[in-house]
Amino acid sequence: GESVGLHLPTLSVQEGDNSIINCAYSNSASDYFIWYKQESGKGPQFIIDIRSNMDKRQGQRVTVLLNKTVKHLSLQIAATQPGDSAVYFCAEMTGFQKLVFGTGTRLLVSP
Amino acid sequence: DAGVTQSPTHLIKTRGQHVTLRCSPISGHKSVSWYQQVLGQGPQFIFQYYEKEERGRGNFPDRFSARQFPNYSSELNVNALLLGDSALYLCASSGESGYSTDTQYFGPGTRLTVL
Repeated sequence: GESVGLHLPTLSVQEGDNSIINCAYSNSASDYFIWYKQESGKGPQFIIDIRSNMDKRQGQRVTVLLNKTVKHLSLQIAATQPGDSAVYFCAEMTGFQKLVFGTGTRLLVSP
Repeated sequence: DAGVTQSPTHLIKTRGQHVTLRCSPISGHKSVSWYQQVLGQGPQFIFQYYEKEERGRGNFPDRFSARQFPNYSSELNVNALLLGDSALYLCASSGESGYSTDTQYFGPGTRLTVL
């Protein structure tokens, strides 16, 4: 498949480890944030979202943390699996249905 | 249920030509957004349509235009193609409830190559 990003920051982990992907956002007025996963040759896939009135939200094997003071988001993936290998983007909603995406982080999971 | 579908999958054009990309949203979704993703970068917002009206426009030249049809499908048109228009064009649908924070679901994209 084609590569989504050739020069992205990369996080390499071993299968079974916990992964933490970080993201800084720009607009202090943003009140909705989303993490997407993009595999090679595919469109972004929704993982988890969080609103600005929350600090933490958990899903299945994933947790998103929001620190509004420093405008920082993180995505934690528990027990990382090879199928988690992809590029991960954070996005902030700055207008009606308008998403602004970060630059992305490539996660490589080795068995 | 079928997800967001886009056509064509791949497209090769030459400079100066125009192109039309198509998107069918998830059934029940009334909003369609278009994004451009250049290799190595995150998607960049181009347009958003809700109930057939343009609700948002990103920082793209007038060569880019779009419309939404009564069945909520959408077309993105790009005129006078430039080499820099080569990218993956993504369509996202949302808006079952009409809230701004409705989850956006992306299609697989159309890979446009301009030679």
